[in-house]
Amino acid sequence: QQQVKQSPQSLIVQKGGISIINCAYENTAFDYFPWYQQFPGKGPALLIAIRPDVSEKKEGRFTISFNKSAKQFSLHIMDSQPGDSATYFCAASRPTNQAGTALIFGKGTTLSVSS
Amino acid sequence: DVKVTQSSRYLVKRTGEKVFLECVQDMDHENMFWYRQDPGLGLRLIYFSYDVKMKEKGDIPEGYSVSREKKERFSLILESASTNQTSMYLCASSFQGVGTNEKLFFGSGTQLSVL
Repeated sequence: QQQVKQSPQSLIVQKGGISIINCAYENTAFDYFPWYQQFPGKGPALLIAIRPDVSEKKEGRFTISFNKSAKQFSLHIMDSQPGDSATYFCAASRPTNQAGTALIFGKGTTLSVSS
Repeated sequence: DVKVTQSSRYLVKRTGEKVFLECVQDMDHENMFWYRQDPGLGLRLIYFSYDVKMKEKGDIPEGYSVSREKKERFSLILESASTNQTSMYLCASSFQGVGTNEKLFFGSGTQLSVL
């Protein structure tokens, strides 16, 4: 079964620190790698995404690093804030039988930023 | 503002009941998805649809079926609910754009308890 493996399961970071969440995949047919952020009681929302033709993408304090040869990608949150406390999911887009794709998600990382 | 609306926030059903979970989107999206979210297991794809009356199985379709009679509405059906289907169910939608940059818009979820 096509999988995306995410670690760690939970993470505690002090305010102002760097949060790092890692993901690995197996299927080289995956061609789009988003990160979703979920707050309690809400559905996940797209945070940032990358395609495999670039090695890094930065949006504000959030950066995706992508290593195509290792089939790994990671989310870095710089200057972590209490408001960043949420569950983060990495995902990968895989082809389907029909014209389109479907996202396969990792198991999630619960981030707590202590003040 | 973009909206994916799930009909119930909380639902309690008995084993063996037929259960309908409804989802409506107001963005004229072609694609709609059903995921279930369980602690430690992340989001797992149940079924998805790329067009009216079209459907495709995800990774865990057993015990579920879907219906899409109108573009804006996607229903998840539990033919005979079982206790192992107690979970948070998330509906999502996206445009069927060129390439694989599909941003998913999620509803807030339905927490289903099967007793």
